[in-house]
Amino acid sequence: DTAVSQTPKYLVTQMGNDKSIKCEQNLGHDTMYWYKQDSKKFLKIMFSYNNKELIINETVPNRFSPKSPDKAHLNLHINSLELGDSAVYFCASSQESLTPKAQYFGPGTRLLVL
Amino acid sequence: DQQVKQNSPSLSVQEGRISILNCDYTNSMFDYFLWYKKYPAEGPTFLISISSIKDKNEDGRFTVFLNKSAKHLSLHIVPSQPGDSAVYFCAASEFNSGNTGKLIFGQGTTLQVKP
Repeated sequence: DTAVSQTPKYLVTQMGNDKSIKCEQNLGHDTMYWYKQDSKKFLKIMFSYNNKELIINETVPNRFSPKSPDKAHLNLHINSLELGDSAVYFCASSQESLTPKAQYFGPGTRLLVL
Repeated sequence: DQQVKQNSPSLSVQEGRISILNCDYTNSMFDYFLWYKKYPAEGPTFLISISSIKDKNEDGRFTVFLNKSAKHLSLHIVPSQPGDSAVYFCAASEFNSGNTGKLIFGQGTTLQVKP
């Protein structure tokens, strides 16, 4: 009964390919996020969705496109993958009305672009 | 420009002693702060948080202290246990400014608790 799950856990692919990462949460939260942890270990927010609506869109190349089919799912599609996209991508969820105002993270997807 | 900084990349502590992890921030609009723990190959796990209207929050062995004038917060773990060995991230947000959900993370401090 994993709270926030991501698939796949590992992804190795060639430059130029298109790939998707899926995220699902069973916490009943209304907000979901994508974060990127780069090689220097910084965790940076990329996107957030609240009730399927895009709320946060940081300075991310438009090769990255999030899609939220419903409140419990937030997928990340990446077009024309580049070497610099290699990172760990974390999905997270939260519920604004709850205290503490914490985000709950998935296990991460380790993407390696060759 | 790194708005949240954890200047100690690593910390080593003996089991049973106190671990003190530090975090500094530059944005005076931050009004909510969180600490996360991360084990290798796992996602960050929420530990404890504090609102800017408080200066201390305690939860079991974990206490977070906030010094707004110094723009500094710290996480105290006492007593430290070997299972506490992990990377600890400090994060901050401007909840009351409407930037709900945008957490800014520090670069993490690796804590090693020796038996």
